Amino acid sequence: AQTVTQSQPEMSVQEAETVTLSCTYDTSESDYYLFWYKQPPSRQMILVIRQEAYKQQNATENRFSVNFQKAAKSFSLKISDSQLGDAAMYFCAYRRGETSGSRLTFGEGTQLTVNP
Amino acid sequence: KAGVTQTPRYLIKTRGQQVTLSCSPISGHRSVSWYQQTPGQGLQFLFEYFSETQRNKGNFPGRFSGRQFSNSRSEMNVSTLELGDSALYLCASREGDRGVDTQYFGPGTRLTVL
Repeated sequence: AQTVTQSQPEMSVQEAETVTLSCTYDTSESDYYLFWYKQPPSRQMILVIRQEAYKQQNATENRFSVNFQKAAKSFSLKISDSQLGDAAMYFCAYRRGETSGSRLTFGEGTQLTVNP
Repeated sequence: KAGVTQTPRYLIKTRGQQVTLSCSPISGHRSVSWYQQTPGQGLQFLFEYFSETQRNKGNFPGRFSGRQFSNSRSEMNVSTLELGDSALYLCASREGDRGVDTQYFGPGTRLTVL
């Protein structure tokens, strides 16, 4: 079975600074997808970024980027120029590959605080 | 397009009762998945429906069931409620089963069991 681990229950960052959230996973699959979701106090889960395992290039979405280390099974999220609106719970998630269903396996989450 | 909607948003029940939660996916999405979120267990997968068929099921007792209708709307039912069923129930919809098809979540239903 696949597992996802986020070892940082809480992180804080100063506004405009950069912060990195860590995630490791375990799988025997070769085809899979990794995600970072954000859950603000409203509880709405919002997709931040996605990485396909077959792509060597790290995904980037504006101020959000990942460091995907497939051999190490590591998938960290870097938030640059942090904004107050980035404060939320962040979840790392794993999904098996093509036509394998929609089941997401989530990590425990990291609560990010952004200080003004 | 309208996002994923869930009704009701809040629900209070007592032990032993049953409850039905509803999820309307984004128009054109054929897959609906359900998750339970609790402080102690985190986010756990309940089940997934794709074109009216249950494709995957998580490790939950038979009291948890679901179904999907021909318009892709989905319901989940919990019978004989227990205190431990108090949770935020999230549903997510997905257009298809391709790897690039992203899941979009609804706002959740907060269930409190007294």
